[in-house]
Amino acid sequence: GIQVEQSPPDLILQEGANSTLRCNFSDSVNNLQWFHQNPWGQLINLFYIPSGTKQNGRLSATTVATERYSLLYISSSQTTDSGVYFCAVKGGTGGFKTIFGAGTRLFVKA
Amino acid sequence: ETGVTQTPRHLVMGMTNKKSLKCEQHLGHNAMYWYKQSAKKPLELMFVYSLEERVENNSVPSRFSPECPNSSHLFLHLHTLQPEDSALYLCASSRERQGPYEQYFGPGTRLTVT
Repeated sequence: GIQVEQSPPDLILQEGANSTLRCNFSDSVNNLQWFHQNPWGQLINLFYIPSGTKQNGRLSATTVATERYSLLYISSSQTTDSGVYFCAVKGGTGGFKTIFGAGTRLFVKA
Repeated sequence: ETGVTQTPRHLVMGMTNKKSLKCEQHLGHNAMYWYKQSAKKPLELMFVYSLEERVENNSVPSRFSPECPNSSHLFLHLHTLQPEDSALYLCASSRERQGPYEQYFGPGTRLTVT
């Protein structure tokens, strides 16, 4: 089945810093989502981005489907950005199953 | 009304108890999912329902029994669980199971088995 790898696994930032999170996948996809899991466990939809670039406030994402990767950019980070960021994909040999990466755990220091 | 709700939010149960988790979606979606998230592991898909029919069961032990009485409600019935079943259980929904549709998640039920 399709493999999803996220990097880095852990990231510590000073408030106000910028960061880039990466998601690599091993096969073509027709669905790619970025989620933020807050400290209470809630998974919040950030982007639905199987290809192209999107922006929402301080967050933006780019997926280069032909090269099988997606990037999530966080600018001017805030303490409320702390949590785990997941990339999830559907497609390839995985059929209709959504495959999650292991996540990037982000901690933003005040 | 929030999109996907789950109750209870926290549950502590003994290994001989029977309990149920409830999920409700207010998005008009046709597909619903149960996921398990254990500490330091990726999310694991447990069950998928499409139009109230179970279409995926990913080798989940029989002590977990799902039920989907209609397209808005999903239950997970629990009985004779083991301590290793302690985890965050997440419900999700999407417009359809097939196709490039986003999944939306509920807040989860944090289960502790003693």
